[in-house]
Amino acid sequence: AQKITQTQPGMFVQEKEAVTLDCTYDTSDPSYGLFWYKQPSSGEMIFLIYQGSYDQQNATEGRYSLNFQKARKSANLVISASQLGDSAMYFCAMRELNFGNEKLTFGTGTRLTIIP
Amino acid sequence: DTGVSQDPRHKITKRGQNVTFRCDPISEHNRLYWYRQTLGQGPEFLTYFQNEAQLEKSRLLSDRFSAERPKGSFSTLEIQRTEQGDSAMYLCASSLRMNTEAFFGQGTRLTVV
Repeated sequence: AQKITQTQPGMFVQEKEAVTLDCTYDTSDPSYGLFWYKQPSSGEMIFLIYQGSYDQQNATEGRYSLNFQKARKSANLVISASQLGDSAMYFCAMRELNFGNEKLTFGTGTRLTIIP
Repeated sequence: DTGVSQDPRHKITKRGQNVTFRCDPISEHNRLYWYRQTLGQGPEFLTYFQNEAQLEKSRLLSDRFSAERPKGSFSTLEIQRTEQGDSAMYLCASSLRMNTEAFFGQGTRLTVV
C-alpha cells in the first residue's frame, strides 16, 4: 500500500530565504510518481512539480525543485527565494503507476508561513 | 475560465438531508476524480471516472454516497441522509492522461448541522 509522510506540521521562513519541505514515502511498486501541490486558503490544490521514479534527474519548475533520493524514499520540495505569496499548505502525494491505479495518496501537509 | 469548476462553493445542510455537488472538469480531460478533505488532513480519494465509466471506488464511499458522470463531461456527487461526519471539503479533479498531473477545483465545503 502506498503511504506518504510529512513530518513538519508548520514552518516559518523569512522572505527571500530558501525552504525545504520534507516528504517520505512508502511503496513496494517500482514504478510510481511523486507530486507536490500547494493549497492556499482559497482551497484549490495547485500542482507544483512532478517526479517519476525512473527519472534520472531531479525535477525543477521555476523556483521549485524536488530533491529526490530514491534509496531513502524521500522527495523533498525546495522553494528558492521564498515570497509572501508562498504562504500556504503544501501536500506531497504519490501515485503507483500500475495499470488501473489512478488514486493519489496525500500526506497530511505542511503549513508554510513566509515572514516579511 | 478553463479550470475545474465546482458548485456550490459552500453548503450548509441539516443532518438527514440529501445534498448534491457538481463538478465541471477541464473540457478535454477524460479522467475525473472526487476527493474528500477533512480539517488538518490531506485529500482522500473517493472515486474515479474515465469518460462516463466509474472505474474505482474507495471504501470511504459508503452506500449513502453516489457519483455519476452521465455523458462523460460534468459529474455529480450526491450524499443521502447526511451525517455530521460528512462535514468536509469535497474536491474534484481532472486529468488528460494517466501519469499526468491532476488539476483540482476550489472544492465544495459541506457543513452538516
